[in-house]
Amino acid sequence: DIQLTQSPSSLSASVGDRVTIACRASQTIDKYLNWYQQKPGKPPKLLIYATSTLQNGVPSRFSGSGSGTDFALTISSLQPDDFATYYCQRSLSTPHTFGPGTKVDIK
Amino acid sequence: QEQLVESGGGVVQPGGSLRLSCAASRFSFSMYNMHWVRQAPGKGLEWVAIISPDGSKRYYADSVKGRFTIFRENSKNTLFLEMNSLRTEDTAVYYCAKEKGYCSGDRCYYYGMDVWGQGTTVTVSS
Repeated sequence: DIQLTQSPSSLSASVGDRVTIACRASQTIDKYLNWYQQKPGKPPKLLIYATSTLQNGVPSRFSGSGSGTDFALTISSLQPDDFATYYCQRSLSTPHTFGPGTKVDIK
Repeated sequence: QEQLVESGGGVVQPGGSLRLSCAASRFSFSMYNMHWVRQAPGKGLEWVAIISPDGSKRYYADSVKGRFTIFRENSKNTLFLEMNSLRTEDTAVYYCAKEKGYCSGDRCYYYGMDVWGQGTTVTVSS
């Protein structure tokens, strides 16, 4: 099965910072890579699908990029509401594996 | 607004069984692939299973294959997860989720999970 790794596993940042989270697949997954945000005690929220398409209602400070095996989620200017854990997920085929997550907290 | 509501969680002994339900509303349930995803305490997300819109195709994570069964009743807008031979490592919050993608003929395009329930907690303990 294709595995996903994320880096870093956690990061501390300040409001206004530009933040980039990387996701690497063990084999090519074409464009079928999605990103979620999860806050404690809440279900995940889809942010970006198919590598770079913003889900309805998600602020434009979030963007996604990449192809093949290397992908990234970028938050252009971190806002207080963005402190959360972020997961990548592959969806080309089953299993629809999630990455291990990246926790973004306040510096 | 599209909504999913899970139920059926609880405490069960190792080796026991449990059936989870997920009631869908405000969208055309029978048109979409549906998932179960779980999250063990303090851990990340783990994809569990997916079922096609008509229920004819089902796929599972290796960790639950042969023990869990995903099925649906489209007439009742309800998704289920039948869990047998439960293990302590199955302890988790279980979420149902709607697949954003679609199927055209025999080909399906998966674009992530855009609607999630609040989750139901399953604890496997003696």
